[in-house]
Amino acid sequence: DAGITQSPRHKVTETGTPVTLRCHQTENHRYMYWYRQDPGHGLRLIHYSYGVKDTDKGEVSDGYSVSRSKTEDFLLTLESATSSQTSVYFCAIANQPGGNNSPLHFGNGTRLTVT
Amino acid sequence: GQNIDQPTEMTATEGAIVQINCTYQTSGFNGLFWYQQHAGEAPTFLSYNVLDGLEEKGRFSSFLSRSKGYSYLLLKELQMKDSASYLCAVGRRDSNYQLIWGAGTKLIIKP
Repeated sequence: DAGITQSPRHKVTETGTPVTLRCHQTENHRYMYWYRQDPGHGLRLIHYSYGVKDTDKGEVSDGYSVSRSKTEDFLLTLESATSSQTSVYFCAIANQPGGNNSPLHFGNGTRLTVT
Repeated sequence: GQNIDQPTEMTATEGAIVQINCTYQTSGFNGLFWYQQHAGEAPTFLSYNVLDGLEEKGRFSSFLSRSKGYSYLLLKELQMKDSASYLCAVGRRDSNYQLIWGAGTKLIIKP
């Protein structure tokens, strides 16, 4: 199994507070992704990274920012959490772009509840 | 536009065969992935098809028809542990190879 760890696994926070989720990999993969998963929706891409300090927006990036200061860590920050950001967040890694014959390996997810 | 459709839920009997369909509309098609996701867990990779035809991997097979924008995942000799959601995802060359995901098909296996 790909070495990928997300922390925390569960978090409850209040509206308006900042929240940071961490994704750590030991596979030295270049590509890292943050997705959210909500009932009735497919996985939706928030942001992704194609190298250290190289990031780009996904389809649902509003209200989120990311940073990748080293290969192994990809941080997702909710600037000011809202109830609409209650979701399960998955980090994924790949050694090529995820849609180019390169399966994604997912972390175990973070369940975030914003009250 | 870009779109992927899968049935929301299917039910099958242990030991039987089930086919889960996925239809898609997209530009810059670069292959179709199937993932399995057990409740409360992460998705795990099952298969990848980029050319037309059937790919077999043990009890699981995946089929692709690019001209029809259609794929299916075939599960044989169903076991209770196959109860999970099955996610279809399409890669696109014209969006930095980003994946478009279907909402998933929840498969319920009954004894």
